[in-house]
Amino acid sequence: QKEVEQNSGPLSVPEGAIASLNCTYSDRGSQSFFWYRQYSGKSPELIMSIYSNGDKEDGRFTAQLNKASQYVSLLIRDSQPSDSATYLCAVNTGFQKLVFGTGTRLLVSP
Amino acid sequence: GAVVSQHPSRVICKSGTSVKIECRSLDFQATTMFWYRQFPKQSLMLMATSNEGSKATYEQGVEKDKFLINHASLTLSTLTVTSAHPEDSSFYICSASTGVPGETQYFGPGTRLLVL
Repeated sequence: QKEVEQNSGPLSVPEGAIASLNCTYSDRGSQSFFWYRQYSGKSPELIMSIYSNGDKEDGRFTAQLNKASQYVSLLIRDSQPSDSATYLCAVNTGFQKLVFGTGTRLLVSP
Repeated sequence: GAVVSQHPSRVICKSGTSVKIECRSLDFQATTMFWYRQFPKQSLMLMATSNEGSKATYEQGVEKDKFLINHASLTLSTLTVTSAHPEDSSFYICSASTGVPGETQYFGPGTRLLVL
């Protein structure tokens, strides 16, 4: 079983819709969770971090964490074509290393 | 804040030569730096973790004699690809962390290596 799992996609949504990206992880001891966005040919950029159960909102982005279900998600409201990218879920299990999922490719059509 | 730079951004070299990539944390002290490799349409693969002043810890399957990592200061780590071959052509990305438990990593812009 992979440590961090994401659906590879592509997830296609129309402009203005809500995009929902999901991630599950296997290590119950995981303490911190991150979402990165990676455009083609570029390095990842951090967009959200979440450490406790519940929702965390930042602009159009909302991260949701459910440690009991070992599930973390990212919602993007009012999706724009510029949001088209690969979204990487990363989990820090407490040893400094981040464990990355394989990423979900999001396509937002105008 | 939390800016990480890499140099060069792109390098083309002949097979058999060695290539050095620098990773610098510009506005914070990076206790730990990480080196990743990413092939086209694949996810990030962690190659090694380096702590300032210590030997790097390599992931399984990564040849430590081929990928030399030096983390001599809190703001600089280098990756040297020795005797590069075409199969080493990839996107190499470094990241840095302050070492605070649970904190994220800040990524550099990456170095695209093409070995002819």
